[in-house]
Amino acid sequence: KAGVTQTPRYLIKTRGQQVTLSCSPISGHRSVSWYQQTPGQGLQFLFEYFSETQRNKGNFPGRFSGRQFSNSRSEMNVSTLELGDSALYLCASRVKGQGLRTEAFFGQGTRLTVV
Amino acid sequence: AQTVTQSQPEMSVQEAETVTLSCTYDTSENNYYLFWYKQPPSRQMILVIRQEAYKQQNATENRFSVNFQKAAKSFSLKISDSQLGDTAMYFCAFMKLGMDSSYKLIFGSGTRLLVRP
Repeated sequence: KAGVTQTPRYLIKTRGQQVTLSCSPISGHRSVSWYQQTPGQGLQFLFEYFSETQRNKGNFPGRFSGRQFSNSRSEMNVSTLELGDSALYLCASRVKGQGLRTEAFFGQGTRLTVV
Repeated sequence: AQTVTQSQPEMSVQEAETVTLSCTYDTSENNYYLFWYKQPPSRQMILVIRQEAYKQQNATENRFSVNFQKAAKSFSLKISDSQLGDTAMYFCAFMKLGMDSSYKLIFGSGTRLLVRP
């Protein structure tokens, strides 16, 4: 069974540009969430999508947005990039439900560098 | 708001020995989940072990076990018979399922574990 796939793995962008990151969840998983990991702030929740609807959103500015498609693939977009947006962006997918199926499976992340 | 604290930025252990990583959390919730994730140099977060707050019995997964003290809001990870492959960053995480089953993990700052040969 294929894992969570994030593309691209590495990205270098210039300040002021915008960027789109992609996440393909494990087959059958309908929930996708995104996290930002930086040395200073650690791992922070960005948002979660389920059935193409945003269910939860972290404390990030409106420059950070996302969406989910009918095949559960998700994209996140960051507009007007700032140097502080340089981070590892992690995507996680899971089967919606309670109990044992609460486990989230993570991708290997996209390393974004803003110069 | 929930917070997770890992007070040990780095730890080191000799191969085959036992090490315990600490984690405390703050919440007013009664039902929640706690996790330990491992992040090796490959960057992929891997679930090590999980604990449901309503279960009094401590979770165990092979060489990994937890000491869950709900009243003290403490959730430590014990790694027995440490192996070189255990070298990684370890994150403690808290989760409360939303009413609509929305899912948000709150992570601690991590503990970097080095297993020495």
